[in-house]
Amino acid sequence: DTGVSQNPRHKITKRGQNVTFRCDPISEHNRLYWYRQTLGQGPEFLTYFQNEAQLEKSRLLSDRFSAERPKGSFSTLEIQRTEQGDSAMYLCASSSGLQTGELFFGEGSRLTVL
Amino acid sequence: GQSLEQPSEVTAVEGAIVQINCTYQTSGFYGLSWYQQHDGGAPTFLSYNALDGLEETGRFSSFLSRSDSYGYLLLQELQMKDSASYFCAVRANTNAGKSTFGDGTTLTVKP
Repeated sequence: DTGVSQNPRHKITKRGQNVTFRCDPISEHNRLYWYRQTLGQGPEFLTYFQNEAQLEKSRLLSDRFSAERPKGSFSTLEIQRTEQGDSAMYLCASSSGLQTGELFFGEGSRLTVL
Repeated sequence: GQSLEQPSEVTAVEGAIVQINCTYQTSGFYGLSWYQQHDGGAPTFLSYNALDGLEETGRFSSFLSRSDSYGYLLLQELQMKDSASYFCAVRANTNAGKSTFGDGTTLTVKP
């Protein structure tokens, strides 16, 4: 399968715990995005990588969120000291940077904070 | 920043034509995309407009008017499998080229 892969698909955690999500983009794509989606809303931009460089980060993203993309391949998104408001679907998308900017999304990682 | 408006729900019958409108306000516009998302699934790309006019891809067409900050997605010969959420997204004219999504339109196709 050459699509975008995310894991875990589901994560249930207690408030205050740390969680980490992994994204494996399409191999030839140098652009990688993290989005968050809650019920009834569209995906909300969190952060962007071009290769290994994190070039843009949403102002809505608190200091509890951190993302990495070592070696410009897979990416991880860590949420520290989770809060109930962090419950959402975390979507990863990759892109080749062509004109259309077509985003290829993974199936997402659903986080539930109890 | 960017903001987008689209209707929250649309209902149509099989075989019909439906148009989903999207208006946007943006500080840096590069293009307008449309994505489809079925319940529990990932958003999938449908179409993209950077210039004014109509783009046709099979049963789906997308239109853009940059001067009116307006676009629409036209779905023809509706099928039950078209029941899904449809999102318009503005692509920014920055290096990141990030897309900002609307809150989506839920399309229900009835027999």
